[in-house]
Amino acid sequence: KNEVEQSPQNLTAQEGEFITINCSYSVGISALHWLQQHPGGGIVSLFMLSSGKKKHGRLIATINIQEKHSSLHITASHPRDSAVYICAVYNDMRFGAGTRLTVKP
Amino acid sequence: DAGVIQSPRHEVTEMGQEVTLRCKPISGHNSLFWYRQTMMRGLELLIYFNNNVPIDDSGMPEDRFSAKMPNASFSTLKIQPSEPRDSAVYFCASSLVGANVLTFGAGSRLTVL
Repeated sequence: KNEVEQSPQNLTAQEGEFITINCSYSVGISALHWLQQHPGGGIVSLFMLSSGKKKHGRLIATINIQEKHSSLHITASHPRDSAVYICAVYNDMRFGAGTRLTVKP
Repeated sequence: DAGVIQSPRHEVTEMGQEVTLRCKPISGHNSLFWYRQTMMRGLELLIYFNNNVPIDDSGMPEDRFSAKMPNASFSTLKIQPSEPRDSAVYFCASSLVGANVLTFGAGSRLTVL
């Protein structure tokens, strides 16, 4: 059983919608990482956070260490946000299976 | 900056052959990570280095896999002998120790026939 669970596995949204992707983990961690993998396969690091909230443009990531849960939010979604979003937890770098997001125009 | 550079981008080889994947991290970065991605297992951390020293290689699947970082600007991941189940995309990433962002290479797609 993967100790890092992401939901949903697949998500389809209309352009402009607010998106939430969730990541839950069962082990104690020091930090959590959100990655974005584009359809071409390239991986981009979005956020690394250990507490609270971080914001970059239309992306917001939050983490609740006590509840062992993190969320990635995308405001005003756009077709170019279509990608697989992956969370990874430290200490031992376990990865979630990813959430495939498709934003339709 | 050219980013993290991996080579080759694609490699097709036969079972039993030696495979060497290469990575050039971003200049100034002192942490380097090797990952493997497959459809079945997703992303997995294989090994990471801080200041050229291997810190955690617990993700290396077996003795057929070895990784080296002879200097701050170069790392290799070697598979000998290769097996079909090693077919995957291998990513290298680099960062500054303790930094909040990793920079990934484009990946090396390995197919072992």
